[in-house]
Amino acid sequence: DAGVTQSPTHLIKTRGQQVTLRCSPKSGHDTVSWYQQALGQGPQFIFQYYEEEERQRGNFPDRFSGHQFPNYSSELNVNALLLGDSALYLCASSLAQGSYEQYFGPGTRLTVT
Amino acid sequence: AQKVTQAQTEISVVEKEDVTLDCVYETRDTTYYLFWYKQPPSGELVFLIRRNSFDEQNEISGRYSWNFQKSTSSFNFTITASQVVDSAVYFCALSEKWINFNKFYFGSGTKLNVK
Repeated sequence: DAGVTQSPTHLIKTRGQQVTLRCSPKSGHDTVSWYQQALGQGPQFIFQYYEEEERQRGNFPDRFSGHQFPNYSSELNVNALLLGDSALYLCASSLAQGSYEQYFGPGTRLTVT
Repeated sequence: AQKVTQAQTEISVVEKEDVTLDCVYETRDTTYYLFWYKQPPSGELVFLIRRNSFDEQNEISGRYSWNFQKSTSSFNFTITASQVVDSAVYFCALSEKWINFNKFYFGSGTKLNVK
């Protein structure tokens, strides 16, 4: 049973560029959440996708957008990158109905120079 | 206001010492879950334990134990006879339901150094 997978593992981008991060949920899960974890801090909720729609959003600007595909996989897009966007981006999957648990992927470490 | 507070930013202990990591949470829900995760330098969050709001029994798993007290909104984590491999950042998290979707809140983490 494959767990949550994320790609790429590491990424280096320049200020102003755009980036796309990818996540495949755990088998059987239909909901994907994205988190940003800056160095030395706890993960901060970005948004959550279910049935290909954004259902909840944290306190992040519109530069952060996402998408969920029919197979439940998801992408996180960040436009106009800032130095402050450098962080570990974690994807978590869960079941929308009847579950309080989330399973986390290994993360994508984004460095903006 | 912070939903989950981990007041200890960093703790250093000598191997074989016992150490307790504190977690205080805030919620108005009657049904919720609490979690502890370990994050080694590699970055992946490793699940340690989940407790629901209706089960206040303390739990022990090997050298790990958890003390859940609803009266003080605390969910503390104790490592007995700490080992160097326990060195990591530990996060406490709260999961609430919003309509049909769970919302996860993390504390800021406690870095544990075992020497």
